[in-house]
Amino acid sequence: DTAVSQTPKYLVTQMGNDKSIKCEQNLGHDTMYWYKQDSKKFLKIMFSYNNKELIINETVPNRFSPKSPDKAHLNLHINSLELGDSAVYFCASSPTGTVGAGELFFGEGSRLTVL
Amino acid sequence: SQQGEEDPQALSIQEGENATMNCSYKTSINNLQWYRQNSGRGLVHLILIRSNEREKHSGRLRVTLDTSKKSSSLLITASRAADTASYFCATDAWGGATNKLIFGTGTLLAVQP
Repeated sequence: DTAVSQTPKYLVTQMGNDKSIKCEQNLGHDTMYWYKQDSKKFLKIMFSYNNKELIINETVPNRFSPKSPDKAHLNLHINSLELGDSAVYFCASSPTGTVGAGELFFGEGSRLTVL
Repeated sequence: SQQGEEDPQALSIQEGENATMNCSYKTSINNLQWYRQNSGRGLVHLILIRSNEREKHSGRLRVTLDTSKKSSSLLITASRAADTASYFCATDAWGGATNKLIFGTGTLLAVQP
C-alpha cells in the first residue's frame, strides 16, 4: 500500500485554467504539507495542516488554496494558472507537528506544466 | 534566503569510493535531516540527527553535526551505482506556529559503475 499518494502524477494545462492536486496518506499522521520543487530542484514549503487546521502558510499567492477535509487528505487547488506555476508539487506527512519537525514521508510528486 | 546549502552541488565518483556531502545552515535548529531523491521520484528520509548529537550512523551512512559551525556532513561509504540520486539536508526551523523543515539546495551524486 502506498503511504502518501498524490494524483495526478502529471498535469499539463493552459495558462488561466484552474486545476487541483489531491493527496492522501494512510499512515495515521496528524500533519500534512505541500512543497513546491522548481526546475533547479529547490524545495520550498507552501502549506502545512495539523489535524485539518492550517498551521503554516508561507508567502504563496492567493491563487493557491489548500483544503483538508480530514487529517488523511490535503488537496491543493490552483486558480488562474501562470507559467511560473510549472513545477513538481510534493505532498508529505509527518507524525509530529508541534514539537520539532519529525521525519517527512513524501508522495511521488505531481508534475504541473503550464503552457 | 535558504536555510541550508549543500556543497558540492554535484559529485561524480566511482563505485566503491566514499562520497561526502556538506550542508551549512544559518539559524539554530532542533534537528537536521538528510533525504535522498531518485530522479523523478519523491524524497526519502535517510537519517535524523538532533542538535545535541554529534555523529550518527545508519548502515553505510555517517552523519556529523557541528552546531558551533552550523554545518553537517553526510558520508556514504563503499558507494554503489544505486546510490546515484540527489541528496538534501533539511533543518528544523520554527515557523511561528510550529516547526517546519527547510530544505537545502541539494547535491547531485553520480556513482559510476
